Formats: sequence, C-alpha cells, structure tokens
Amino acid sequence: EAGVVQSPRYKIIEKKQPVAFWCNPISGHNTLYWYRQNLGQGPELLIRYENEEAVDDSQLPKDRFSAERLKGVDSTLKIQPAELGDSAVYLCASSLGLAGYQETQYFGPGTRLLVL
Amino acid sequence: AQSVTQLGSHVSVSEGALVLLRCNYSSSVPPYLFWYVQYPNQGLQLLLKYTSAATLVKGINGFEAEFKKSETSFHLTKPSAHMSDAAEYFCAVSASGTSYDKVIFGPGTSLSVIP
Repeated sequence: EAGVVQSPRYKIIEKKQPVAFWCNPISGHNTLYWYRQNLGQGPELLIRYENEEAVDDSQLPKDRFSAERLKGVDSTLKIQPAELGDSAVYLCASSLGLAGYQETQYFGPGTRLLVL
Repeated sequence: AQSVTQLGSHVSVSEGALVLLRCNYSSSVPPYLFWYVQYPNQGLQLLLKYTSAATLVKGINGFEAEFKKSETSFHLTKPSAHMSDAAEYFCAVSASGTSYDKVIFGPGTSLSVIP
C-alpha cells in the first residue's frame, strides 16, 4: 500500500513569489493534516480536513496561506506571497478519520521550502 | 491546553546501551500520548501510543514507554540501542474527550548511537 505522497520534495523560491505543495493521502483516509516543521522543532498543525471540510484552521496564517481539498482526496497548500520566515518543511499526514486526534497519523516525507 | 517538554535536545548512547528519552506533558484532561520517530529526509512514523489502556505501552523496534500520571511523564526506553535507532524522536500529546483538539508535538530529541 502506498504511503502519503508529497510533491515537490524540495523547493527554492525568492521572497514574494507564490509556491504550492501537493499531497495525496493514503487511500481510504478521510482526515488530512498539513503541518509546518521549523528547523529543530516539532511539527505544528496548520490545518486539518475531514473529507472536504476544513475543521481546524486556527493556526493557518490566512493572509498568505490557503489550502483546498476539493474532492476529499488530495490537497494543495499554497503560500502567496512567500516570506523569508516561511522557510521550513511542510508535512502532510493522513488518518482514517474515525477517532479524532487519538488516531495514528501517517506522514509523508515533506516538502522542504527555502525562501531566499 | 496541552504542552510537551522533552529534556535533552541531543542524546548520545553507545551501541547496546539503554536508551532513555524523556517526555513530560501538561494537560488539563486525561491525555493521549504518542512517540513518533523521524529518520533523515523522511516523514514521522508512530512508535507507540497511550490511549488510557495499559500504562506500559510497547511499540515497534523494541521501544516501550510508561505513562506515569503522578509524574506527568511518558519516557521512551529501549534496553539495547542499535545503530539504526539514530533518528529524531518526538513526543506528542492530545486531549481525550475532545476529538477536535489538536496534537501538540514536543521539540524533539536527536538520538545518536556510537559504535
């Protein structure tokens, strides 16, 4: 069974440019999460989807970040415009969606973003 | 609100020695607790989790952790370190009974195994 797929794996952009990350969760997983992991820190939740619905986006900087999961499967996270402080690893995770935050989350390899 | 502290950002052990990674949590409700491992250039992988059943939890790769409510701790141990255990380890907490409360990750502990 395929795991969580993310692309691209690496991205280098100049500040003020837009960037997008794509995630395809494990088949059958209803819940999808986007996390940001700064260097030397643990992941921090940006947004959580239950199927197509964003049920927790309180940590998403909505002035420049947006996300969508139109058909309840794959998802895109966008930053526009990017700032130097956005340099981080962006992780996508998925889970079955049956038991809330006690569920095991399955993580993708992440997209490492460098903003110059 | 929940929080997690991991004592020691870097831990080094000799191959074959005991591994002990410390995690203390703060939670206003009974917690769910997790240990995840992250190998270089990979995503996080669940090692084990506590969800209010047995206080001693056994996980993959020979790791185990014990939930101690009185000490608000969930330390991770392995009797004998292997070179392949070198990785970043994250302790995490979420709140039981509130299914929409998020998982909070600690800052991580980098484990080095010396041959």
